[in-house]
Amino acid sequence: KAGVTQTPRYLIKTRGQQVTLSCSPISGHRSVSWYQQTPGQGLQFLFEYFSETQRNKGNFPGRFSGRQFSNSRSEMNVSTLELGDSALYLCASSVDRANEQFFGPGTRLTVL
Amino acid sequence: GIQVEQSPPDLILQEGANSTLRCNFSDSVNNLQWFHQNPWGQLINLFYIPSGTKQNGRLSATTVATERYSLLYISSSQTTDSGVYFCAVARASGTYKYIFGTGTRLKVLA
Repeated sequence: KAGVTQTPRYLIKTRGQQVTLSCSPISGHRSVSWYQQTPGQGLQFLFEYFSETQRNKGNFPGRFSGRQFSNSRSEMNVSTLELGDSALYLCASSVDRANEQFFGPGTRLTVL
Repeated sequence: GIQVEQSPPDLILQEGANSTLRCNFSDSVNNLQWFHQNPWGQLINLFYIPSGTKQNGRLSATTVATERYSLLYISSSQTTDSGVYFCAVARASGTYKYIFGTGTRLKVLA
């Protein structure tokens, strides 16, 4: 069974731009969660989607948004990029929230 | 919210040595996972262990949920074990999300 895939793997943007990251979960998994990892803040939860609905959201500004499609694939969008948004963005999928999570390889975003 | 503390923060071992990594959490949890983050950033699942003991080759883990801690044992360490080990916990009530510890950075020397 294929694992969680994320695209693109690397991205360089400039301040003020927006970016969209994509995540394809493991087949049969309906819960998709997103995390941000930075050296200073560690791994922090962004949001979780299940059956196209956002069920949970972390403590991030409204510039961070996401959505989930009917095939469970998910996208996250960051608008008006700031230097501090440079991070590794990780996506995880699970059958449902109370089950084991599996992570994708991540998207490394650099904001110049 | 739940606080997750991992110790030690850094660990250097000679190849072949054994080690124990600890994860303490501040409240009752329903889920607990251990991960190994490789140099490329990928989080590799080690154990899904809300309670009890599990073993997988040279690695084993124990979670004592009533005392709010989990231990990860690495025996006969190898250089490929190097990386950062994370513990993550989640609680079914309220805002369900995984909270990650700050990790243990392990370096195994040949």
